[in-house]
Amino acid sequence: NAGVTQTPKFQVLKTGQSMTLQCAQDMNHEYMSWYRQDPGMGLRLIHYSVGAGITDQGEVPNGYNVSRSTTEDFPLRLLSAAPSQTSVYFCASSETGIYSGANVLTFGAGSRLTVL
Amino acid sequence: EDKVVQSPLSLVVHEGDTVTLNCSYEVTNFRSLLWYKQEKKAPTFLFMLTSSGIEKKSGRLSSILDKKELFSILNITATQTGDSAIYLCAVGTGTASKLTFGTGTRLQVTL
Repeated sequence: NAGVTQTPKFQVLKTGQSMTLQCAQDMNHEYMSWYRQDPGMGLRLIHYSVGAGITDQGEVPNGYNVSRSTTEDFPLRLLSAAPSQTSVYFCASSETGIYSGANVLTFGAGSRLTVL
Repeated sequence: EDKVVQSPLSLVVHEGDTVTLNCSYEVTNFRSLLWYKQEKKAPTFLFMLTSSGIEKKSGRLSSILDKKELFSILNITATQTGDSAIYLCAVGTGTASKLTFGTGTRLQVTL
């Protein structure tokens, strides 16, 4: 059982380049999300999705796009990379619903992005 | 805006000590409070609390929630060097599984 798989693990970009961080989960989770983690800032929500075809913005969505065409995949696109987007990115998924276990996120291993 | 505040920001203790990590929150539509441990890579789940006053326990770690005062504590007894990590507190709100995280407490356990 792979859980949440993120690729690539490391990436270096130049300012203005675009790229896509891939995220796939095999747990049939409806909810998927992207966070970025910066020193002293904790984990901040970028975008999230409650199911295929549905996405919404989190706390820090500017400069990022997402789509959810299948339950399994939730790619994060950087449209025109900026040094401020240098960070570690985590994809996470969970079940949805009103029972208490639905909030437990399972995280991928992270993708470290450096923008020069 | 939902807010989660953790204290202290960092902590250095000797092996065998007991530590208490704090998490306070101000959110709308509270659903659950979660603790995660983060070592080198991805956060791993420790506890989820939804009801006040009920302690969750796993080995040397325990946690309790006070929904009236809007805080939770994570206790670690007889600390070991393997407990060195960042401990993250997160609050779940609404029905969309969204979690708002605190900045974390960095714990270092020395010999």
